[in-house]
Amino acid sequence: SQQGEEDPQALSIQEGENATMNCSYKTSINNLQWYRQNSGRGLVHLILIRSNEREKHSGRLRVTLDTSKKSSSLLITASRAADTASYFCASSTRGSGNTGKLIFGQGTTLQVKP
Amino acid sequence: SQTIHQWPATLVQPVGSPLSLECTVEGTSNPNLYWYRQAAGRGLQLLFYSVGIGQISSEVPQNLSASRPQDRQFILSSKKLLLSDSGFYLCAWSGGPRDPYEQYFGPGTRLTVT
Repeated sequence: SQQGEEDPQALSIQEGENATMNCSYKTSINNLQWYRQNSGRGLVHLILIRSNEREKHSGRLRVTLDTSKKSSSLLITASRAADTASYFCASSTRGSGNTGKLIFGQGTTLQVKP
Repeated sequence: SQTIHQWPATLVQPVGSPLSLECTVEGTSNPNLYWYRQAAGRGLQLLFYSVGIGQISSEVPQNLSASRPQDRQFILSSKKLLLSDSGFYLCAWSGGPRDPYEQYFGPGTRLTVT
């Protein structure tokens, strides 16, 4: 069953604006991660937030995690045209042991207009 | 530093033909390895994962199989391709020094079955 649901499916903003993407999941997690994918390429890891953390920053990225609501959000501040890509959340569920298995959401496609 | 290689980058195969996609990782030992498939505009579906040589776990019953003949080599195969096997195939590894849960992706193989 699909673990991660993301919204919106697509987002179009102007350069300089902030972009917020949301992710919901269904079962208890060890951690939640966000990845970026440029068109036709592999995924690149952006940030990982553990189940006992509520907020994490990395450069212009801010991730929040609300385990009571089983949801996470990714905020990209002061967006740039180069941020145009698809963004995926991925959860590592409790019980996955040492497999490192992740369950990916369907992604949010972000377009940043110059 | 660690790198992951995938080939070929693109492949066009007729229905009923065999398939072999190869993935190799350099610069690390005993990684967890994963094969994903991504349909156009969709998220990633985990196909197989491996926590060690010869250890393969299948996530989705299908027309594909995987093997891990060496520690850092992961192969995705099919004896007879179906039209529905078309997609973007991604290999990934985890178990790196920064965080064992982070996954690192190869560039992907675009498979078109005609």
